[in-house]
Amino acid sequence: NAGVTQTPKFRILKIGQSMTLQCTQDMNHNYMYWYRQDPGMGLKLIYYSVGAGITDKGEVPNGYNVSRSTTEDFPLRLELAAPSQTSVYFCASSDSSPYEQYFGPGTRLTVT
Amino acid sequence: KQEVTQIPAALSVPEGENLVLNCSFTDSAIYNLQWFRQDPGKGLTSLLLIQSSQREQTSGRLNASLDKSSGRSTLYIAASQPGDSATYLCAVVEGNNDMRFGAGTRLTVKP
Repeated sequence: NAGVTQTPKFRILKIGQSMTLQCTQDMNHNYMYWYRQDPGMGLKLIYYSVGAGITDKGEVPNGYNVSRSTTEDFPLRLELAAPSQTSVYFCASSDSSPYEQYFGPGTRLTVT
Repeated sequence: KQEVTQIPAALSVPEGENLVLNCSFTDSAIYNLQWFRQDPGKGLTSLLLIQSSQREQTSGRLNASLDKSSGRSTLYIAASQPGDSATYLCAVVEGNNDMRFGAGTRLTVKP
């Protein structure tokens, strides 16, 4: 099992550009999550999904969009990138109860 | 709103010492609590998960306890080693599947 994989590992965007961060899991988990981690801070939930076709907002959803067309994939889209979106983005997945989450290696994004 | 706090923010100990990391949360209505390890520039590795009905979990030299009524959890590391140096994060999951993280404790174990 590869677990949770994320691409790309690093990316630099100019202000106003858009991009999609990819996340794939091969554990057949129903639940998937996107977090961002700012320097010296804990992770904050952006969006999550409880199954294909179902998504919901987390704590910090503004400026992001997600879709979940398959169980395996949960891409995160940034529209009109802003410097405030400079962060490390982590994707995670979990099975149902007890919802133990498994994380990908992260994508380091810089917006200049 | 759930707030998760980890104290201290950083800790440095000599090799071989036993140590305790602290995590507190403001709303006791949690579903579970999870402890993670994060190495610099890396993702998170799950260490222990304690369900709300449990009091503690153990894995090797690690022991995590949970006291929901007081909103506290501790991670005990026995006989610390330089390889234990990392940032340790605790996170609580609430009934709506929302996971809230603390800012972490950065641990350095000196040889």
